[in-house]
Amino acid sequence: AQTVTQSQPEMSVQEAETVTLSCTYDTSENNYYLFWYKQPPSRQMILVIRQEAYKQQNATENRFSVNFQKAAKSFSLKISDSQLGDTAMYFCATMESVDMRFGAGTRLTVKP
Amino acid sequence: DVKVTQSSRYLVKRTGEKVFLECVQDMDHENMFWYRQDPGLGLRLIYFSYDVKMKEKGDIPEGYSVSREKKERFSLILESASTNQTSMYLCASSLFLGTGGSNEKLFFGSGTQLSVL
Repeated sequence: AQTVTQSQPEMSVQEAETVTLSCTYDTSENNYYLFWYKQPPSRQMILVIRQEAYKQQNATENRFSVNFQKAAKSFSLKISDSQLGDTAMYFCATMESVDMRFGAGTRLTVKP
Repeated sequence: DVKVTQSSRYLVKRTGEKVFLECVQDMDHENMFWYRQDPGLGLRLIYFSYDVKMKEKGDIPEGYSVSREKKERFSLILESASTNQTSMYLCASSLFLGTGGSNEKLFFGSGTQLSVL
């Protein structure tokens, strides 16, 4: 099964600044999907952004963008213009076929 | 919107009890999943099911079993609860078609925090 590594257990950023969360993964498949999920204190998992591995163009969703390096198996998340509401746990995940595997998460704190 | 409902938000049980965690989804998804979330370990897959009465072990199935008698319902069973099963349990569902569409993702319930004393 695929594995996902998030090497930053905790990060902080000042409001309005930019922060990048790292993620590396390992998979033997050529066709797969990559995701970043956010989990605020409410515990509800919210999809932030997704990327199809066969697409070379990096996905963007408003203030959120990814840097997808397929050869390096790297999938980092950049949050621009950080807001207080971005404070949450962030999980990187990969999906091959049916099942999805997650990393250990990065706790992001946005400071006023 | 897809809704995934977990029957309890908080649950307290005693060691040795049989525990049922229930999950229901309302979007006719084929795939359903049970994850366990622990600090520093992220979400770990316990079991998943890709069809009624079908189940597959995830990474940490020991001490758990599952039941999927109907498409919309996926139950996680702790046959004899132990203190090391104290955790947050997340249920999810998906409609995976392999076409790259916007539904290629997991939809999550709001979690059940289980404490085993």
